Amino acid sequence: ETGVTQTPRHLVMGMTNKKSLKCEQHLGHNAMYWYKQSAKKPLELMFVYNFKEQTENNSVPSRFSPECPNSSHLFLHLHTLQPEDSALYLCASSQDKVSGANVLTFGAGSRLTVL
Amino acid sequence: GQNIDQPTEMTATEGAIVQINCTYQTSGFNGLFWYQQHAGEAPTFLSYNVLDGLEEKGRFSSFLSRSKGYSYLLLKELQMKDSASYLCAVMDSNYQLIWGAGTKLIIKP
Repeated sequence: ETGVTQTPRHLVMGMTNKKSLKCEQHLGHNAMYWYKQSAKKPLELMFVYNFKEQTENNSVPSRFSPECPNSSHLFLHLHTLQPEDSALYLCASSQDKVSGANVLTFGAGSRLTVL
Repeated sequence: GQNIDQPTEMTATEGAIVQINCTYQTSGFNGLFWYQQHAGEAPTFLSYNVLDGLEEKGRFSSFLSRSKGYSYLLLKELQMKDSASYLCAVMDSNYQLIWGAGTKLIIKP
């Protein structure tokens, strides 16, 4: 139990589908993140929310749409994805966004395959 | 640009010692992190260094030299469960985490 739960763990979708990834943290943290992890590449930061406000959007295509209804939940809405979007999507949380020792707690990820 | 370099893959023997290196070039420095990620699982925090020197935590130690832009993770008395990917990340002056691509460590009996 990592304290950060992601669902679904695996998702296969066609390019015309609409789906959502969900992340929930039970740690009382104030910052939440979406990362994309592709094989043999560094983690790519996609979105950051701090106290429910989006503070970063790292040039992510509009086919990815985040939502943070409260400090415990984070969603990533997916639509008209491309095969190159297939990857592991990791959610993480931390006590605060701006802090030196900003330790991230990650979820186990959602493995997305786009056909 | 900002860059983190670490070896792609390393192999070591059970019971031995292995050192995983990480070199970095970033805009400022607010600390260096090591995370462990077993296949199919979440990355988990191992260590944080912000001052030069060696931090020891059980079988794992992490070293930092800010002047050289260099860190290493030292794993002693290797166990099969240490087979995992090890991710190095540096927090820059804007509190952005810059990640390496990870080092896959394979432990052989």
